[in-house]
Amino acid sequence: EAGVAQSPRYKIIEKRQSVAFWCNPISGHATLYWYQQILGQGPKLLIQFQNNGVVDDSQLPKDRFSAERLKGVDSTLKIQPAKLEDSAVYLCASSEGYLSGNTIYFGEGSWLTVV
Amino acid sequence: SQQGEEDPQALSIQEGENATMNCSYKTSINNLQWYRQNSGRGLVHLILIRSNEREKHSGRLRVTLDTSKKSSSLLITASRAADTASYFCATASGAGSYQLTFGKGTKLSVIP
Repeated sequence: EAGVAQSPRYKIIEKRQSVAFWCNPISGHATLYWYQQILGQGPKLLIQFQNNGVVDDSQLPKDRFSAERLKGVDSTLKIQPAKLEDSAVYLCASSEGYLSGNTIYFGEGSWLTVV
Repeated sequence: SQQGEEDPQALSIQEGENATMNCSYKTSINNLQWYRQNSGRGLVHLILIRSNEREKHSGRLRVTLDTSKKSSSLLITASRAADTASYFCATASGAGSYQLTFGKGTKLSVIP
C-alpha cells in the first residue's frame, strides 16, 4: 500500500516569497491533515479536511496560509508571504475517517527554510 | 496548544537495556497514540491505546494508560541502535472531529 506522498521534500525561500506544498493521501482515505512541526517540538495541527470540506482550521494563520482539497483527494498548502518563523516541517497525514480510533498515517514531510 | 508532555526530554541508554518514556496530558481523551520519528523523517505510528484499556503490547513495545492520573508510559524492551529516534505521544479527544494533539517528544539515543 502506497503511503502519504508529499512534495517538494525540501524548499528554501526568502522571506516575503510564496511557497506551495502538495500532498497525496493514501487511496481511499477521506480525512486529510496538515501539521506544522517546528524544530524540537511536536507537530501542531494546521487544518483538517473531511473529503473536500474543512473540519478544523482554527490554528491556521489565515492571513498568510491557505489550503485546499478541491476533489477530495490531493491537497495543497500555500504560504504567502512567508516569514522567518514559518521555517518548519510541514507534515501531511491521512486517515480512513474522522472517527476516533482510526490510525493516522504521516508522510515524510516538506522541509521549509525561510531566510 | 500541546496537550501531551513527554518525560524525559532526552534519554540515553546502552543497547540491550529497556527504555521507558512517560506522557502526561490534561483533558479527557478517547485514545492515546505513540509515534516514532527518525531524524529527518516523518512520523511512524507505533501503537494506539483506547481510554478503556490499561495496557497494550506490540512486539518489544508495551504501553500503559492510567486515565485517573492522565498519564501513559511507553516501554521499549531490549533496545537496539535502530530504536534511536524521537518518540511522541498524541492524544485524541472530543466528540466531533478526530485529530491528534502531540507533545514535544522524548529523544532516545541507544548506544551500541
